[in-house]
Amino acid sequence: GAGVSQTPSNKVTEKGKYVELRCDPISGHTALYWYRQSLGQGPEFLIYFQGTGAADDSGLPNDRFFAVRPEGSVSTLKIQRTERGDSAVYLCASSFTGGGTDTQYFGPGTRLTVL
Amino acid sequence: AQSVTQLDSHVSVSEGTPVLLRCNYSSSYSPSLFWYVQHPNKGLQLLLKYTSAATLVKGINGFEAEFKKSETSFHLTKPSAHMSDAAEYFCVVSPTDKLIFGTGTRLQVFP
Repeated sequence: GAGVSQTPSNKVTEKGKYVELRCDPISGHTALYWYRQSLGQGPEFLIYFQGTGAADDSGLPNDRFFAVRPEGSVSTLKIQRTERGDSAVYLCASSFTGGGTDTQYFGPGTRLTVL
Repeated sequence: AQSVTQLDSHVSVSEGTPVLLRCNYSSSYSPSLFWYVQHPNKGLQLLLKYTSAATLVKGINGFEAEFKKSETSFHLTKPSAHMSDAAEYFCVVSPTDKLIFGTGTRLQVFP
């Protein structure tokens, strides 16, 4: 079946602009995760959804970052007033039920470049 | 707090020789541990996971890892490297829901 998909694959924006990144999880997966991977680093956790609600948003770096999952499927990561330091690859993952032992399946990522 | 340390940022091997990628973990209780692989311009793929069952875990593409509590290690091995194994490898610990990644080990395979 289809894997996790993310759009756009690349996004270039100017400092101060607003961006939205979209994630389509694997059908039937209730858990959805966002991570951020900076150049030369491992991915860092941002937020975890269980269904429609954010179960853990402890990784969001500040209040410019926000994510939603209104119908428990597609999720959108929103970044306001972008800064050059926001440039990174944003990864989305989904898993069947969530929890520490459940396998997370990753999408190809969205490469965000803030000029 | 849980964390993982990947001891080598780069590992180079010749095709057909063994691969060893080292990972130590820090955890106050029995962790769930994973190895993920990231090929250039491709998504992260799960190689294998340890969830407190057998300490020797077999994964895809001939990789395996052994959980050693006494050494707090979870090293990844493969008996014979293939050119297609060249990629970035991440050791990962999962305390509850989120994954905590190491900094990665880049594996180069020479012909």
